[in-house]
Amino acid sequence: EPEVTQTPSHQVTQMGQEVILRCVPISNHLYFYWYRQILGQKVEFLVSFYNNEISEKSEIFDDQFSVERPDGSNFTLKIRSTKLEDSAMYFCASKGLIYNEQFFGPGTRLTVL
Amino acid sequence: QQQVKQSPQSLIVQKGGISIINCAYENTAFDYFPWYQQFPGKGPALLIAIRPDVSEKKEGRFTISFNKSAKQFSLHIMDSQPGDSATYFCAARFQKLVFGTGTRLLVSP
Repeated sequence: EPEVTQTPSHQVTQMGQEVILRCVPISNHLYFYWYRQILGQKVEFLVSFYNNEISEKSEIFDDQFSVERPDGSNFTLKIRSTKLEDSAMYFCASKGLIYNEQFFGPGTRLTVL
Repeated sequence: QQQVKQSPQSLIVQKGGISIINCAYENTAFDYFPWYQQFPGKGPALLIAIRPDVSEKKEGRFTISFNKSAKQFSLHIMDSQPGDSATYFCAARFQKLVFGTGTRLLVSP
């Protein structure tokens, strides 16, 4: 069964450093998303991406964040200068054209020290 | 207006019992209401979903009840099993998914 994969599973970084979180969505999906979940809290929408551009972003997704689909398979989230409060689980999700279901990856745990 | 309120925060049910989780929303533009199940260290996985033109949807032991006029929907897990112990999130979609705050369910043996 196709699935969304994410790497790395855990990333530890120093405050102020740049991190890139990687996702490989399901191959025939066209809509891509990033969400984050601070420990013990709800899942929060960050950004959606379709047709090689951002279709919607939340207030959390400020200038420190960017997304890219550098090739036909990867979808990345970059945080330019990490802050302590960026520590969270980051989930990538993808969706096909017809069905409503978003398929979530296993997440990347980002720890900012 | 974009919030989805979920209750209870945690729930303990005996094996074989019925687990009920409730959600309420304000935005009438939401057009799709999924429930996600999340195990520790894993991503959310879709459990069951409903559209607002349907009042109930059942898949196996899982049922969504939807009350459009009250802007409420709920998840019922019949014959709850220890393997159902997880965190459950309701969500609502208007272009993007808005998640509820989650319910930690523990089914005791």
